[in-house]
Amino acid sequence: DGGITQSPKYLFRKEGQNVTLSCEQNLNHDAMYWYRQDPGQGLRLIYYSQIVNDFQKGDIAEGYSVSREKKESFPLTVTSAQKNPTAFYLCASSMGTSVETQYFGPGTRLLVL
Amino acid sequence: GENVEQHPSTLSVQEGDSAVIKCTYSDSASNYFPWYKQELGKRPQLIIDIRSNVGEKKDQRIAVTLNKTAKHFSLHITETQPEDSAVYFCAASGTGANSKLTFGKGITLSVRP
Repeated sequence: DGGITQSPKYLFRKEGQNVTLSCEQNLNHDAMYWYRQDPGQGLRLIYYSQIVNDFQKGDIAEGYSVSREKKESFPLTVTSAQKNPTAFYLCASSMGTSVETQYFGPGTRLLVL
Repeated sequence: GENVEQHPSTLSVQEGDSAVIKCTYSDSASNYFPWYKQELGKRPQLIIDIRSNVGEKKDQRIAVTLNKTAKHFSLHITETQPEDSAVYFCAASGTGANSKLTFGKGITLSVRP
């Protein structure tokens, strides 16, 4: 899992602002995922992508957007439409489908000013 | 969709004792069941997983058992140590092109020295 990096470690968002979280992997994994973690809520899937230039909504996609222009990169944008963005955001990747082991990045903590 | 539940939400054991954490799932088509350990402020890390064609799997002090009929699987940690203190997440996934991991809400394990 050392091959997955996320930046920044902490991010502050102002009202009405869009912010973008970075996720990069050098594991040559096809699939990448974004999860949101709130205290006592476990991990909830926001978006996932199994191949370049294609992605699917997860369980809580509203207020978020993604792109997958390169195999190694899967940035997540938290838009102003997301009214409660404060959370710990985790990116993960796997070789292929979800039946493969997912490896997580170190996470980005997003706080609202 | 899949629903994964973990019980109890917290568990405290004495160092050296065994700990058992149970998860139930709802989708009988699920066939991959990983367990992740997350220390405070860090990324989740896979500690063991099991697939539906196997009833039990062991790795040193850790074992996972699967009961497909009852739709539950359990994590067993023997000879617990203080460094086992963390949040443990179970997850379940089916097959198919767009299948995805569904996580439980996590259990906080505390090992008392």
